[in-house]
Amino acid sequence: EPEVTQTPSHQVTQMGQEVILRCVPISNHLYFYWYRQILGQKVEFLVSFYNNEISEKSEIFDDQFSVERPDGSNFTLKIRSTKLEDSAMYFCASLQQSSNYGYTFGSGTRLTVV
Amino acid sequence: QKEVEQDPGPLSVPEGAIVSLNCTYSNSAFQYFMWYRQYSRKGPELLMYTYSSGNKEDGRFTAQVDKSSKYISLFIRDSQPSDSATYLCAMSGFQAGTALIFGKGTTLSVSS
Repeated sequence: EPEVTQTPSHQVTQMGQEVILRCVPISNHLYFYWYRQILGQKVEFLVSFYNNEISEKSEIFDDQFSVERPDGSNFTLKIRSTKLEDSAMYFCASLQQSSNYGYTFGSGTRLTVV
Repeated sequence: QKEVEQDPGPLSVPEGAIVSLNCTYSNSAFQYFMWYRQYSRKGPELLMYTYSSGNKEDGRFTAQVDKSSKYISLFIRDSQPSDSATYLCAMSGFQAGTALIFGKGTTLSVSS
């Protein structure tokens, strides 16, 4: 069964450093998403990406964050200057075009900011 | 504004019990309603989805949506220890590709 792949599974970084989280969505999917889940909290929407541009973003997704699809397979989330409160699980998801329910999530990257 | 509310539990039941999990929501624009299962430190995995109001059954699982009350439910019949996980409700609007909005999740433990 096709799956969304995320790397690394766990990243530890110093406060103020830049991190890049990587995702390989399912190959025929056209919508891509980043969500985060702070320990004990809800899964929260960060950003969606379609047709090589951001289609929707939440108020969490401020200027510290950026997304990119550098080639035909990867989808990345960059956090420019990490803060302690950025520590969370970050999930990538993808969705087929013309679907409203078939979101497939990766296993996540656990980001720890120290 | 808390768009989706879900009692986080934990909920503990014996094997074979019927489990009822519920969410309420405030945004009447939600049209697609999903239940995800999440194991510790893993990504959410889609269990069931429903469009608009009504019931949907899949094996031991039944999803119900009551749009007039803005209330959705997931029932698990003959619960098994392997059903122990966190169950997340999630919702999205009519337009394809819109973001999923999640509830906080209910942690279920089924003891043998």
